[in-house]
Amino acid sequence: GESVGLHLPTLSVQEGDNSIINCAYSNSASDYFIWYKQESGKGPQFIIDIRSNMDKRQGQRVTVLLNKTVKHLSLQIAATQPGDSAVYFCAENPSYKLIFGSGTRLLVRP
Amino acid sequence: KAGVTQTPRYLIKTRGQQVTLSCSPISGHRSVSWYQQTPGQGLQFLFEYFSETQRNKGNFPGRFSGRQFSNSRSEMNVSTLELGDSALYLCASSEGPGADYGYTFGSGTRLTVV
Repeated sequence: GESVGLHLPTLSVQEGDNSIINCAYSNSASDYFIWYKQESGKGPQFIIDIRSNMDKRQGQRVTVLLNKTVKHLSLQIAATQPGDSAVYFCAENPSYKLIFGSGTRLLVRP
Repeated sequence: KAGVTQTPRYLIKTRGQQVTLSCSPISGHRSVSWYQQTPGQGLQFLFEYFSETQRNKGNFPGRFSGRQFSNSRSEMNVSTLELGDSALYLCASSEGPGADYGYTFGSGTRLTVV
């Protein structure tokens, strides 16, 4: 069936280091991918998105990489800050809805 | 510009009761989608409304229903509540139908069924 999964459930990084969160997707029909950040008590917040006709997209301190050959998506956060501590979800859009991954918790050590 | 507003924030109901949750989208957004978030199943699509019409529905039983009003506000209803319905219910609004218009999520309604 359709699924979006993450390799690491928890990622702990030192403040100032770069973080990389990975995601595998299974639906070849997906043409739009999004990364969300969810802090405790809040709904998912859009971070960055990428269309299937792109391999890389950069935002402020964040970069998303898409490898369609192996159906892999990654989120890179540069100079990780304490405020980056949250759960991160990747999501794919094969049709009208989003299919979310199970999430990775990012912990930033001071 | 106000974000997506969901009310109430917290709700405790007894098994067998019914519940109605409300979502007010961002002004100008005509599409509202609902998702259920649980620790075990993660985020799962419930349904989507656009211009007062349900466009798509996820794999949930008929106890889950919703509607959208002419001002784009949406409500979802769960009847005959079960313990497994305990979850965070998230509403997302977008300018157009479908997920690729870009969602903005509300903070959710935390439903606890006892």
